[in-house]
Amino acid sequence: GAGVSQTPSNKVTEKGKYVELRCDPISGHTALYWYRQSLGQGPEFLIYFQGTGAADDSGLPNDRFFAVRPEGSVSTLKIQRTERGDSAVYLCASSLVSGGWETQYFGPGTRLLVL
Amino acid sequence: RKEVEQDPGPFNVPEGATVAFNCTYSNSASQSFFWYRQDCRKEPKLLMSVYSSGNEDGRFTAQLNRASQYISLLIRDSKLSDSATYLCVVNSPLRDGAGTASKLTFGTGTRLQVTL
Repeated sequence: GAGVSQTPSNKVTEKGKYVELRCDPISGHTALYWYRQSLGQGPEFLIYFQGTGAADDSGLPNDRFFAVRPEGSVSTLKIQRTERGDSAVYLCASSLVSGGWETQYFGPGTRLLVL
Repeated sequence: RKEVEQDPGPFNVPEGATVAFNCTYSNSASQSFFWYRQDCRKEPKLLMSVYSSGNEDGRFTAQLNRASQYISLLIRDSKLSDSATYLCVVNSPLRDGAGTASKLTFGTGTRLQVTL
Protein backbone atom coordinates (compact mmCIF):
# COMPACT_ATOMS: atom_id res chain seq x y z
CA GLY A 1 0.00 0.00 0.00
CA ALA A 2 0.99 3.63 -0.29
CA GLY A 3 3.18 5.05 2.42
CA VAL A 4 3.40 8.60 3.71
CA SER A 5 4.07 11.03 0.89
CA GLN A 6 5.42 14.55 1.10
CA THR A 7 5.62 17.32 -1.45
CA PRO A 8 7.69 18.97 -2.65
CA SER A 9 10.71 16.74 -2.17
CA ASN A 10 12.97 19.79 -2.38
CA LYS A 11 12.24 23.48 -1.91
CA VAL A 12 14.64 26.35 -2.37
CA THR A 13 13.44 29.76 -1.28
CA GLU A 14 14.79 33.15 -0.37
CA LYS A 15 14.98 34.59 3.10
CA GLY A 16 11.74 36.30 4.01
CA LYS A 17 9.51 34.24 1.73
CA TYR A 18 6.54 32.08 2.71
CA VAL A 19 6.55 28.31 2.12
CA GLU A 20 4.04 25.48 2.44
CA LEU A 21 5.01 21.85 2.85
CA ARG A 22 2.44 19.13 2.34
CA CYS A 23 2.04 15.70 3.92
CA ASP A 24 -0.28 12.88 2.84
CA PRO A 25 -0.44 10.29 5.64
CA ILE A 26 -1.17 6.62 5.21
CA SER A 27 -4.89 6.18 4.56
CA GLY A 28 -6.80 5.61 7.79
CA HIS A 29 -4.06 6.89 10.08
CA THR A 30 -5.55 9.34 12.54
CA ALA A 31 -2.33 10.53 14.17
CA LEU A 32 0.04 12.78 12.22
CA TYR A 33 3.34 14.28 13.32
CA TRP A 34 5.77 16.81 11.91
CA TYR A 35 9.47 16.63 12.73
CA ARG A 36 12.44 18.70 11.62
CA GLN A 37 15.92 17.26 11.04
CA SER A 38 18.89 19.58 10.83
CA LEU A 39 22.22 18.42 9.45
CA GLY A 40 23.98 16.01 11.78
CA GLN A 41 21.06 15.83 14.18
CA GLY A 42 18.20 13.46 14.81
CA PRO A 43 14.65 14.53 13.95
CA GLU A 44 13.02 16.91 16.45
CA PHE A 45 9.30 16.96 17.19
CA LEU A 46 7.34 19.99 15.97
CA ILE A 47 3.60 19.28 16.18
CA TYR A 48 1.11 16.45 16.57
CA PHE A 49 -2.42 16.13 15.18
CA GLN A 50 -5.05 13.70 16.35
CA GLY A 51 -7.72 13.97 13.69
CA THR A 52 -8.18 17.59 12.67
CA GLY A 53 -6.92 19.25 15.84
CA ALA A 54 -3.38 20.13 16.79
CA ALA A 55 -3.21 18.26 20.08
CA ASP A 56 0.30 19.42 20.86
CA ASP A 57 2.32 22.13 19.09
CA SER A 58 4.96 22.52 21.78
CA GLY A 59 7.80 21.78 19.35
CA LEU A 60 7.11 24.63 16.95
CA PRO A 61 10.13 26.95 17.30
CA ASN A 62 8.21 30.25 17.04
CA ASP A 63 5.06 31.86 15.68
CA ARG A 64 6.36 31.88 12.12
CA PHE A 65 5.52 28.17 12.02
CA PHE A 66 1.96 26.94 11.71
CA ALA A 67 0.35 23.69 10.61
CA VAL A 68 -3.17 22.65 9.67
CA ARG A 69 -5.03 19.43 8.99
CA PRO A 70 -8.53 20.64 8.09
CA GLU A 71 -10.11 17.33 7.09
CA GLY A 72 -8.14 15.02 9.30
CA SER A 73 -6.03 13.63 6.49
CA VAL A 74 -3.61 15.85 4.52
CA SER A 75 -1.58 18.30 6.58
CA THR A 76 0.25 21.47 5.55
CA LEU A 77 3.16 22.98 7.45
CA LYS A 78 3.42 26.70 6.80
CA ILE A 79 6.48 28.82 7.45
CA GLN A 80 6.27 32.59 7.22
CA ARG A 81 9.19 35.01 6.73
CA THR A 82 11.64 32.15 6.29
CA GLU A 83 15.12 32.47 7.78
CA ARG A 84 18.35 30.70 6.83
CA GLY A 85 18.16 28.77 10.09
CA ASP A 86 14.92 27.15 8.89
CA SER A 87 16.93 25.13 6.36
CA ALA A 88 16.43 21.47 7.26
CA VAL A 89 14.60 18.32 6.24
CA TYR A 90 10.97 18.44 7.34
CA LEU A 91 9.63 14.95 8.03
CA CYS A 92 6.03 13.90 8.40
CA ALA A 93 4.97 10.69 10.13
CA SER A 94 1.64 9.02 10.71
CA SER A 95 0.36 6.23 12.91
CA LEU A 96 -2.91 4.35 13.07
CA VAL A 97 -3.78 5.83 16.45
CA SER A 98 -1.66 7.66 18.96
CA GLY A 99 -0.20 5.70 21.80
CA GLY A 100 3.05 4.43 23.20
CA TRP A 101 3.18 1.32 21.07
CA GLU A 102 1.95 2.50 17.68
CA THR A 103 4.65 2.57 15.04
CA GLN A 104 5.12 5.91 13.35
CA TYR A 105 5.78 5.66 9.61
CA PHE A 106 7.84 8.41 8.10
CA GLY A 107 7.57 10.07 4.73
CA PRO A 108 10.66 10.82 2.61
CA GLY A 109 10.77 14.41 3.85
CA THR A 110 10.97 17.82 2.22
CA ARG A 111 14.45 19.35 2.02
CA LEU A 112 14.07 23.08 2.57
CA LEU A 113 16.92 25.41 1.73
CA VAL A 114 16.56 29.07 2.58
CA LEU A 115 19.08 31.26 0.77
CA ARG B 1 21.61 18.12 28.37
CA LYS B 2 19.92 16.31 25.46
CA GLU B 3 16.99 14.08 26.31
CA VAL B 4 18.53 11.17 24.35
CA GLU B 5 22.31 10.92 24.10
CA GLN B 6 24.38 8.72 21.86
CA ASP B 7 27.93 8.68 20.54
CA PRO B 8 27.79 10.13 17.01
CA GLY B 9 30.69 7.94 15.81
CA PRO B 10 31.59 7.20 13.13
CA PHE B 11 32.22 3.56 13.89
CA ASN B 12 34.35 2.01 11.15
CA VAL B 13 34.36 -1.79 11.35
CA PRO B 14 35.37 -4.59 8.99
CA GLU B 15 32.79 -6.93 7.54
CA GLY B 16 31.99 -9.72 9.95
CA ALA B 17 32.76 -7.70 13.07
CA THR B 18 30.46 -7.29 16.06
CA VAL B 19 29.63 -3.71 16.97
CA ALA B 20 27.67 -2.26 19.89
CA PHE B 21 25.91 1.07 20.22
CA ASN B 22 24.77 2.61 23.48
CA CYS B 23 22.34 5.33 24.35
CA THR B 24 21.05 6.99 27.50
CA TYR B 25 17.79 8.86 28.02
CA SER B 26 16.82 11.34 30.71
CA ASN B 27 13.00 11.34 30.74
CA SER B 28 11.92 8.69 33.22
CA ALA B 29 8.35 9.02 31.88
CA SER B 30 9.42 7.50 28.57
CA GLN B 31 7.20 4.58 27.76
CA SER B 32 8.68 2.74 24.83
CA PHE B 33 11.99 2.52 23.10
CA PHE B 34 13.23 1.87 19.60
CA TRP B 35 16.18 1.76 17.28
CA TYR B 36 15.63 3.37 13.89
CA ARG B 37 17.93 3.11 10.91
CA GLN B 38 18.48 6.05 8.58
CA ASP B 39 20.30 5.77 5.27
CA CYS B 40 21.90 8.83 3.70
CA ARG B 41 19.27 11.28 2.46
CA LYS B 42 16.43 8.92 3.39
CA GLU B 43 13.79 8.91 6.08
CA PRO B 44 14.23 7.01 9.36
CA LYS B 45 12.86 3.47 9.35
CA LEU B 46 12.04 1.36 12.37
CA LEU B 47 14.71 -1.28 12.95
CA MET B 48 13.36 -2.79 16.13
CA SER B 49 11.59 -2.10 19.38
CA VAL B 50 13.49 -2.50 22.62
CA TYR B 51 12.19 -4.35 25.68
CA SER B 52 13.54 -4.85 29.18
CA SER B 53 13.68 -8.58 28.58
CA GLY B 54 15.90 -8.00 25.57
CA ASN B 55 14.95 -8.89 22.06
CA GLU B 56 16.71 -10.33 19.09
CA ASP B 57 16.02 -10.12 15.38
CA GLY B 58 18.51 -12.11 13.37
CA ARG B 59 21.92 -10.48 13.80
CA PHE B 60 20.50 -7.60 15.84
CA THR B 61 20.00 -7.65 19.61
CA ALA B 62 18.52 -4.77 21.59
CA GLN B 63 18.44 -4.31 25.35
CA LEU B 64 16.82 -1.85 27.73
CA ASN B 65 17.85 -1.12 31.31
CA ARG B 66 15.10 1.04 32.81
CA ALA B 67 16.90 1.52 36.12
CA SER B 68 19.96 2.97 34.40
CA GLN B 69 17.92 4.55 31.57
CA TYR B 70 20.22 2.89 29.11
CA ILE B 71 19.54 1.28 25.72
CA SER B 72 21.88 -0.80 23.61
CA LEU B 73 22.04 -2.32 20.14
CA LEU B 74 24.38 -5.13 19.18
CA ILE B 75 25.03 -6.05 15.54
CA ARG B 76 26.76 -9.35 14.93
CA ASP B 77 28.49 -10.43 11.71
CA SER B 78 28.32 -6.93 10.20
CA LYS B 79 27.48 -6.65 6.52
CA LEU B 80 28.35 -3.86 4.11
CA SER B 81 24.62 -3.19 3.87
CA ASP B 82 24.49 -2.38 7.60
CA SER B 83 26.29 0.91 6.88
CA ALA B 84 23.87 3.61 7.99
CA THR B 85 23.07 5.91 10.89
CA TYR B 86 21.40 4.22 13.85
CA LEU B 87 19.05 6.43 15.83
CA CYS B 88 18.15 5.72 19.44
CA VAL B 89 14.54 6.75 19.99
CA VAL B 90 12.27 7.02 23.02
CA ASN B 91 8.53 7.53 23.04
CA SER B 92 7.57 10.18 25.58
CA PRO B 93 4.16 11.46 26.65
CA LEU B 94 2.69 14.55 25.05
CA ARG B 95 0.43 16.91 26.94
CA ASP B 96 -2.92 16.16 25.37
CA GLY B 97 -6.14 16.01 27.32
CA ALA B 98 -6.53 12.26 27.09
CA GLY B 99 -3.01 11.57 28.25
CA THR B 100 -2.53 8.99 25.55
CA ALA B 101 -0.53 10.87 22.95
CA SER B 102 3.20 10.54 22.64
CA LYS B 103 6.04 11.82 20.55
CA LEU B 104 9.31 10.30 19.43
CA THR B 105 12.50 11.84 20.78
CA PHE B 106 15.58 10.97 18.76
CA GLY B 107 19.23 10.90 19.60
CA THR B 108 21.66 12.45 17.14
CA GLY B 109 22.38 9.03 15.67
CA THR B 110 25.50 6.89 15.50
CA ARG B 111 27.05 6.48 12.09
CA LEU B 112 28.25 3.00 11.17
CA GLN B 113 30.52 2.30 8.23
CA VAL B 114 31.22 -1.36 7.46
CA THR B 115 34.21 -1.93 5.18
CA LEU B 116 35.65 -4.87 3.25
